[in-house]
Amino acid sequence: DGGITQSPKYLFRKEGQNVTLSCEQNLNHDAMYWYRQDPGQGLRLIYYSQIVNDFQKGDIAEGYSVSREKKESFPLTVTSAQKNPTAFYLCASSTGLDGGELFFGEGSRLTVL
Amino acid sequence: AQTVTQSQPEMSVQEAETVTLSCTYDTSESDYYLFWYKQPPSRQMILVIRQEAYKQQNATENRFSVNFQKAAKSFSLKISDSQLGDAAMYFCAYSGYGNKLVFGAGTILRVKS
Repeated sequence: DGGITQSPKYLFRKEGQNVTLSCEQNLNHDAMYWYRQDPGQGLRLIYYSQIVNDFQKGDIAEGYSVSREKKESFPLTVTSAQKNPTAFYLCASSTGLDGGELFFGEGSRLTVL
Repeated sequence: AQTVTQSQPEMSVQEAETVTLSCTYDTSESDYYLFWYKQPPSRQMILVIRQEAYKQQNATENRFSVNFQKAAKSFSLKISDSQLGDAAMYFCAYSGYGNKLVFGAGTILRVKS
């Protein structure tokens, strides 16, 4: 089945540790995105990539890093510099064309202890 | 920067009745796209309906329709014949050039049987 796979679904981290969230898609989409969801704030864009080996910061990139070495993969690293990392993280992909639908993964819930 | 505002944190509707969710946005662009996404308790985001700003005709998808008022920058979602499965969080989203979606804070829809 074509779709987006995020892993892990739930992750616990101690303060000061980096953690990487995985996002893989088999939809042959050029563009991929990472959003953060907090209660009452909707979804906010962290990073996006419109093509392999290129990515841009979104609205809340501080404390996060990404890579796009393969078309199918867009991992997100939450670094120890991110002050409030506990959140629900959603990965999405699209064709990249203006107005194109975003297809979302099931999300990863990160809790910092 | 574009912003999307959903002024109704929560709405309730009786099964089989009609409900309208509100959304306003702010932009200086003339060409853009608007979306309504549904996030059920599973948290998987699903596209409900999409509207191109250059089209005057309101989009319709089965029981879901929009009232797009470009001059007023308003984009409301009407759900007819509400069903229990419609209960979810609904997000309004804006996309301009570059296909980066900006989301509103969301409206929780409760459906009463």
